[in-house]
Amino acid sequence: DIVMTQIPSSQAVSAGEKVTMSCKSSQSLLYSENKKTYLAWYQQKPGQSPNLLISWASTRESGVPDRFIGSGSGTDFTLTINSVQAEDLAIYYCEQYYDSPWTFGGGTKLELK
Amino acid sequence: EVQLVESGGGLVWSGRSLKLSCAASGFTFSNYYMAWVRQAPTKGLEWVASIANGDNNPYYRDSVKGRFSISRDNAKSTLYLQMDSLRSEDTATYYCTREENYYSAPFDYWGQGVMVTVSS
Repeated sequence: DIVMTQIPSSQAVSAGEKVTMSCKSSQSLLYSENKKTYLAWYQQKPGQSPNLLISWASTRESGVPDRFIGSGSGTDFTLTINSVQAEDLAIYYCEQYYDSPWTFGGGTKLELK
Repeated sequence: EVQLVESGGGLVWSGRSLKLSCAASGFTFSNYYMAWVRQAPTKGLEWVASIANGDNNPYYRDSVKGRFSISRDNAKSTLYLQMDSLRSEDTATYYCTREENYYSAPFDYWGQGVMVTVSS
């Protein structure tokens, strides 16, 4: 199974700050035949279902604010939130869909400083 | 608007069975792969099973193989998860999710989730 590791597990932030969080996979998520990277980011707010923010490592879903930026390649990925808003306080999960079983990282919890 | 509404959860004794349903609307159900993802209390997310749009070749995580069965009724736009021989470690909120119409895709829509509690 591909292991997904997220760092840090929690992060305290102030509104307006720039935040970065890391996700590492135990093997490359780049499929050489189509040059696509099989990595997604989800946001889960308290008491809610997860919501897909970014797919293919860097493609924002429709309606996701442009302050959310996914980057990275191979085995190292980053989710950046420019100018964090109070509504962004949530747990963020990365997920690989390169190879079954699809696996998620342990999550990074964004909290108020 | 895409909607996924799960039902069928509850409290069950270890070793017993439960069947979850997910009623889908707002999209052409038969065009999409579907999946179940679960989340144990205060824990992270764990993929359970997926099924292709043509109802062939379902696939499962190892820990539920032989105990869980995913199926779908495209005429009713409904996804199912039959869970047998339940264990305490199956206690979780189960989410019905939509994938794309091909293998290896992210989960682009999620239901509100249904709680399953397995008591020993």
